[in-house]
Amino acid sequence: ETGVTQTPRHLVMGMTNKKSLKCEQHLGHNAMYWYKQSAKKPLELMFVYNFKEQTENNSVPSRFSPECPNSSHLFLHLHTLQPEDSALYLCASSQTTGVPDHTQYFGPGTRLTVL
Amino acid sequence: SQQGEEDPQALSIQEGENATMNCSYKTSINNLQWYRQNSGRGLVHLILIRSNEREKHSGRLRVTLDTSKKSSSLLITASRAADTASYFCATAGNSGNTPLVFGKGTRLSVIA
Repeated sequence: ETGVTQTPRHLVMGMTNKKSLKCEQHLGHNAMYWYKQSAKKPLELMFVYNFKEQTENNSVPSRFSPECPNSSHLFLHLHTLQPEDSALYLCASSQTTGVPDHTQYFGPGTRLTVL
Repeated sequence: SQQGEEDPQALSIQEGENATMNCSYKTSINNLQWYRQNSGRGLVHLILIRSNEREKHSGRLRVTLDTSKKSSSLLITASRAADTASYFCATAGNSGNTPLVFGKGTRLSVIA
């Protein structure tokens, strides 16, 4: 266990559904990240939060909406998704974003399938 | 982009053999990190090597960094079936708020 949990672990949803992914870290970190991992593609950074403030939005479509109510919790709200959004969604945390040699701790991911 | 590119994309070896994976990147870095991912799981940090370091060891792992060639290698000695996983390099730029950039990974299969 890395100290980062994600729920649910698996999610199947239709294109008109609304769902949310949850991430929680128990490491006392201040930075949290959402990544998308699709088959045969590099890990894609989606969003970064540092001290609850969004510091990076990597041109992510508006059908993905992040929320960071505090430094320990991160949500990814999903609505009107497309089949190509099916992927493994990984959450990570690190001590902060301001220091380059901080490592990231990843959750186990949510396997999302959009029908 | 300073994206890391791992080579080879896939590697299959027998248990007990050594496995070497390479990573190349494009721009100057503060550090380079290697992560491991078991199938369908999250990534786990293995080792970090700073730009002023040339070699680093951790157990059966040996990482080298050649900043003149913008490349790094990860060597796993005496591999075990449990080492079967995907291995990713990630580069961190010199600007503190630049996010890590991950490569596509090398899929390692260790056959018992």
